[in-house]
Amino acid sequence: AAGVIQSPRHLIKEKRETATLKCYPISRHDTVYWYQQGPGQDPQFLISFYEKMQSDKGSIPDRFSAQQFSDYHSELNMSSLELGDSALYFCASSRGGWLDTGELFFGEGSRLTVL
Amino acid sequence: GDSVTQMEGPVTLSEEAFLTINCTYTATGYPSLFWYVQYPGEGLQLLLKATKADDKGSNKGFEATYRKETTSFHLEKGSVQVSDSAVYFCALSAGGTSYGKLTFGQGTILTVHP
Repeated sequence: AAGVIQSPRHLIKEKRETATLKCYPISRHDTVYWYQQGPGQDPQFLISFYEKMQSDKGSIPDRFSAQQFSDYHSELNMSSLELGDSALYFCASSRGGWLDTGELFFGEGSRLTVL
Repeated sequence: GDSVTQMEGPVTLSEEAFLTINCTYTATGYPSLFWYVQYPGEGLQLLLKATKADDKGSNKGFEATYRKETTSFHLEKGSVQVSDSAVYFCALSAGGTSYGKLTFGQGTILTVHP
């Protein structure tokens, strides 16, 4: 079975530019999570969606926004990029609600480099 | 707030050595506890989990027991292999509506030499 698909895998942007990351969850997973992992750091929770509604919010900058679409894929939009936004961005999916087992399935990540 | 503390790393072992990676946590309520592994260039994979006190999670020879009295979830393996070389993250979830909102420890780099 296909896992969580993230695109692009690598992205290079200049400061103050905009970037969009996409995440395609595992089939029949209705919950998506976004994490940011800086160099040598642990992953930090950014935001999550359940059934296309935002379900939780973590340390996501105001310059970032995200949404989940009707086919359950999600996009993370990042504007006015800063050098500190350079990181590996992970998307994870799960089955939410009463089917939630607490297990997340992570994608391979999108590496954003801001120059 | 919730937090997870892992032992200082990195850890370097010879093949077939015994592995322990310490993990302690601070949380309100009754969190679920997880160990995730990250191989080079890959995403995180769930290694094992425990959802209540005294539960033991196990997978691929790795084990960890949810100890509420010591707020710990130490990872152990009796005989490591070169293929176990990776970064290991301890994590907790507060559950409820935020099951997937994980708080991670700082990660421990494990290197196993032949």
